[in-house]
Amino acid sequence: EDKVVQSPLSLVVHEGDTVTLNCSYEVTNFRSLLWYKQEKKAPTFLFMLTSSGIEKKSGRLSSILDKKELFSILNITATQTGDSAVYLCAVEADNYGQNFVFGPGTRLSVLP
Amino acid sequence: EPEVTQTPSHQVTQMGQEVILRCVPISNHLYFYWYRQILGQKVEFLVSFYNNEISEKSEIFDDQFSVERPDGSNFTLKIRSTKLEDSAMYFCASSAVNYGYTFGSGTRLTVV
Repeated sequence: EDKVVQSPLSLVVHEGDTVTLNCSYEVTNFRSLLWYKQEKKAPTFLFMLTSSGIEKKSGRLSSILDKKELFSILNITATQTGDSAVYLCAVEADNYGQNFVFGPGTRLSVLP
Repeated sequence: EPEVTQTPSHQVTQMGQEVILRCVPISNHLYFYWYRQILGQKVEFLVSFYNNEISEKSEIFDDQFSVERPDGSNFTLKIRSTKLEDSAMYFCASSAVNYGYTFGSGTRLTVV
């Protein structure tokens, strides 16, 4: 059975801290790994990773994939209260239909 | 920026009633999906749709569920006879080839 695990499940930090969120997976026919940020409603797209070792950056957020060790990390530097959200990792696990398997999410709370 | 639009944003229905959740995917996207998220739980895949047919469905997507693309723009999810456990946030998503999903803002379904 395909599996996506995220850790920690919950994290509380203060503004300015740096956080690292982890996602590990066991899936067949891996194609890509995506990170989403979910605040109140719909997840919003952050990154799509397909190749190992290539860091993707967007402002204070960055992410990297290790296809050999089957994990990805999402880093957020100089956190702000607006970064408080659930961060979801999703892995494309099937070549047909592009089905994604979601992890349980990491709930990040950034305190002022 | 293109959006996936879902209506209604919140629907309350009595157990046993039929509901239709509506979605307008991004116009040039080819793949369409329904996911659901029970309050406090992970995002779960329901069904994917490509080339006017279901390409994959999960165990959750039983005979009570159906999807349709009745015209060139709408993508609907029908639940024939709702149960209490169908209460969840239902997300529609669409994607182009080799790119991440764009999620709609969701429909919160409450079955009473």
